[in-house]
Amino acid sequence: DAGVIQSPRHEVTEMGQEVTLRCKPISGHNSLFWYRQTMMRGLELLIYFNNNVPIDDSGMPEDRFSAKMPNASFSTLKIQPSEPRDSAVYFCASSSSAGKLFFGSGTQLSVL
Amino acid sequence: KQEVTQIPAALSVPEGENLVLNCSFTDSAIYNLQWFRQDPGKGLTSLLLIQSSQREQTSGRLNASLDKSSGRSTLYIAASQPGDSATYLCAVNSGGYQKVTFGIGTKLQVIP
Repeated sequence: DAGVIQSPRHEVTEMGQEVTLRCKPISGHNSLFWYRQTMMRGLELLIYFNNNVPIDDSGMPEDRFSAKMPNASFSTLKIQPSEPRDSAVYFCASSSSAGKLFFGSGTQLSVL
Repeated sequence: KQEVTQIPAALSVPEGENLVLNCSFTDSAIYNLQWFRQDPGKGLTSLLLIQSSQREQTSGRLNASLDKSSGRSTLYIAASQPGDSATYLCAVNSGGYQKVTFGIGTKLQVIP
């Protein structure tokens, strides 16, 4: 299995622009997570899907953030409009019912 | 609210030394605890998962222990190698995926 695949690996954009991050979970996993990692706050859970349904989005910082999972093999995290304080590494992770988390390589986002 | 602390924040040891990384958590009512490794610019790789009913897990030179009553877990690395240099994070699942809390991590450097 190729593992959790995220794209792009790096994204540089200007403040106010829309940013879309993409994730393909491991085939057969029924849970998908979006995390944000910063030096100051470490890893924070943004949103969690189970069987393509958003279960808990309480970690999404603002209405500027939205996430979708249209099918079992694809999810997006969108930021519109982006701000410099959104600069961070965004990770996608997936899990089966066994509970072990598998992470993608992340997207390094820089908002200028 | 679950709080996870990892001490020390950084550790430098000579090659071949045995070492222990510590993880403490405030709420002992946990579902499982997972240790991860993160290399610079990479995602998180799962090392060991300990269920709440278990006391320890072993994989090769790694051994993780769990003491729920005292709110502590340790990751023991035997005969450390330069390739072990990375940041090690522990993640505590307090019940449900939305309640996974990560520590900030311990940055390990193994000197040849």
